[in-house]
Amino acid sequence: DIQMTQSPSIVSASVGDRVTITCRASHSFISWLAWYQQKPGKAPKLLIYKASTLQPGVPSRFSGSGSGTEFTLTINNLQPDDFATYYCQQYSSFWTFGQGTKVEIK
Amino acid sequence: QITLKESGPTLLKPTQTLTLTCNFSGFSLSTSGVGVGWIRQPPGKALEWLALIYWHDDKRYSPSLKSRLTITTDTSKNQVVLTMTDVDPVDTATYFCAHKETGRTFDHWGQGTLVTVSS
Repeated sequence: DIQMTQSPSIVSASVGDRVTITCRASHSFISWLAWYQQKPGKAPKLLIYKASTLQPGVPSRFSGSGSGTEFTLTINNLQPDDFATYYCQQYSSFWTFGQGTKVEIK
Repeated sequence: QITLKESGPTLLKPTQTLTLTCNFSGFSLSTSGVGVGWIRQPPGKALEWLALIYWHDDKRYSPSLKSRLTITTDTSKNQVVLTMTDVDPVDTATYFCAHKETGRTFDHWGQGTLVTVSS
């Protein structure tokens, strides 16, 4: 199994800030990494797949990077709608999610 | 437009069998590359992938739950069914079904259905 570890668990930020979330994998893989946004009571929404490809309709302030065992989600110019929980997910070997990072208002 | 919707019991007793149905539209599970998966989320916790079925009826299961899960499809009804045997209170969660295509991951999700296991 590939385990995914996200950090931090919580990030406090203000509108306009840049937020960076990191996801580390227990085994190296090539780019089969996705990022989701989830709001309370809602299904996850796919933001990024293949580590850096933006899902259609997702604002360009979201970006992803990384390969191997370390991946990053960056949110530039944080907007009020971005306060949510974010999950990474590997799909190189089955499907495994990180434990989530909550982006809260500072 | 792809849509998925889960349905099933809201309350089960320990040791019972859970049967969940995912009704979908906007795609066909007979199309090459398409899959439908099940993911769950206990209250306040992270997402956990459970099972997936592909267009050619190939099936994948979470290694930790494989002995308790069965995933099937009725392509004529645009349905995917997940069965989980011998449920326990730790299986209390919101259960989601989701669509995927080859080279991508779960890009369309149902709204989820909350299942509570309690005596």
